[in-house]
Amino acid sequence: NAGVTQTPKFQVLKTGQSMTLQCAQDMNHEYMSWYRQDPGMGLRLIHYSVGAGITDQGEVPNGYNVSRSTTEDFPLRLLSAAPSQTSVYFCASGTRRAGELFFGEGSRLTVL
Amino acid sequence: AQKVTQAQTEISVVEKEDVTLDCVYETRDTTYYLFWYKQPPSGELVFLIRRNSFDEQNEISGRYSWNFQKSTSSFNFTITASQVVDSAVYFCALTLSGSARQLTFGSGTQLTVLP
Repeated sequence: NAGVTQTPKFQVLKTGQSMTLQCAQDMNHEYMSWYRQDPGMGLRLIHYSVGAGITDQGEVPNGYNVSRSTTEDFPLRLLSAAPSQTSVYFCASGTRRAGELFFGEGSRLTVL
Repeated sequence: AQKVTQAQTEISVVEKEDVTLDCVYETRDTTYYLFWYKQPPSGELVFLIRRNSFDEQNEISGRYSWNFQKSTSSFNFTITASQVVDSAVYFCALTLSGSARQLTFGSGTQLTVLP
């Protein structure tokens, strides 16, 4: 009963390095999204997808890329990490009906 | 654009006290959904409740209850007889109908329940 799985859980990068946060769900959900959580600001939407091959920008998309080649996977790419991207990242999935969103356990990223 | 305000940054209560967490939202849409999530110290996000804009009926689930008032754009959350395990950050969130599930979150309320 995996649900939404994020890897890695912790990562330290140097400024300018690139990396990919992986997200996979096994519930056949159409909708997937990435949020970042910063102190005092709640969670903010980075990118989302309503199905394979379809992605769109959320509130804070700059510096991040996404793709959705399969229903199950929705990776988040940082092409050139910046200290401002130090945050906790959450992946979520859900159905198109406005029910519960299922969140992964989070990935803590530190950019030095 | 939507906005969710949780004015209480931190609340501290003693075990067995009742506590209410406030949530005020802004949207011009008439169809929307409101949520509460709990984030315990372990960091995961736990879904508590969803309420749609056409259903103003209050809800009770065990020690938890929710009061939705469209007239004041509020969706407040009350924990009765609080317990130490209730200590967490609580988030209120809003999404619009047909919005592909894009949640707008409040900044959260840190609840600490002291023994």
